[in-house]
Amino acid sequence: DQQVKQNSPSLSVQEGRISILNCDYTNSMFDYFLWYKKYPAEGPTFLISISSIKDKNEDGRFTVFLNKSAKHLSLHIVPSQPGDSAVYFCAASAPQGGSEKLVFGKGMKLTVNP
Amino acid sequence: DGGITQSPKYLFRKEGQNVTLSCEQNLNHDAMYWYRQDPGQGLRLIYYSQIVNDFQKGDIAEGYSVSREKKESFPLTVTSAQKNPTAFYLCASSMGPTNEKLFFGSGTQLSVL
Repeated sequence: DQQVKQNSPSLSVQEGRISILNCDYTNSMFDYFLWYKKYPAEGPTFLISISSIKDKNEDGRFTVFLNKSAKHLSLHIVPSQPGDSAVYFCAASAPQGGSEKLVFGKGMKLTVNP
Repeated sequence: DGGITQSPKYLFRKEGQNVTLSCEQNLNHDAMYWYRQDPGQGLRLIYYSQIVNDFQKGDIAEGYSVSREKKESFPLTVTSAQKNPTAFYLCASSMGPTNEKLFFGSGTQLSVL
């Protein structure tokens, strides 16, 4: 039973446009959410996170929005660049869960076309 | 530069063979983890260690073993009991067990001959 869902396996956008990556979760105990970016044959790298006490967190071109009532979060990349082409994983954790309790989604492949 | 080093990058296993994947970190992190990634799947936790000489099973520990004799090192052995070992294996570390921000190595692709 997937607790973190990334329902769209891929997304293709034009350079300069906005990329919106979605993530849904089922466990209402999750209170911390992270996005990781992964290039082929490399390990994921941390991108941005958000605590459940916030509904938005911004870091440069990347913004994560959290809608707790809908159990939904989204990652916005504006403007998108070809170097953003990668697989993006959404992850979530519950209180006292710690890193070992991180639950990852299946990932979404973003392609940014020049 | 601080980071996590996994070796080898590619590994082939014969039937009935045990193989060991190396993971070393110089970030002075207490906690280390092993994940497995299959095509089109998320990351699944195999084993984790919060402190030297201690480790716990993750969600898919069967057919795997680990050791944590040194803070810097957390090798993973894929035993012959693991019937479907072909996957991309990722080692990660974090400052402590309650810190969700993981730092990952570059991974080892294991294939069966």
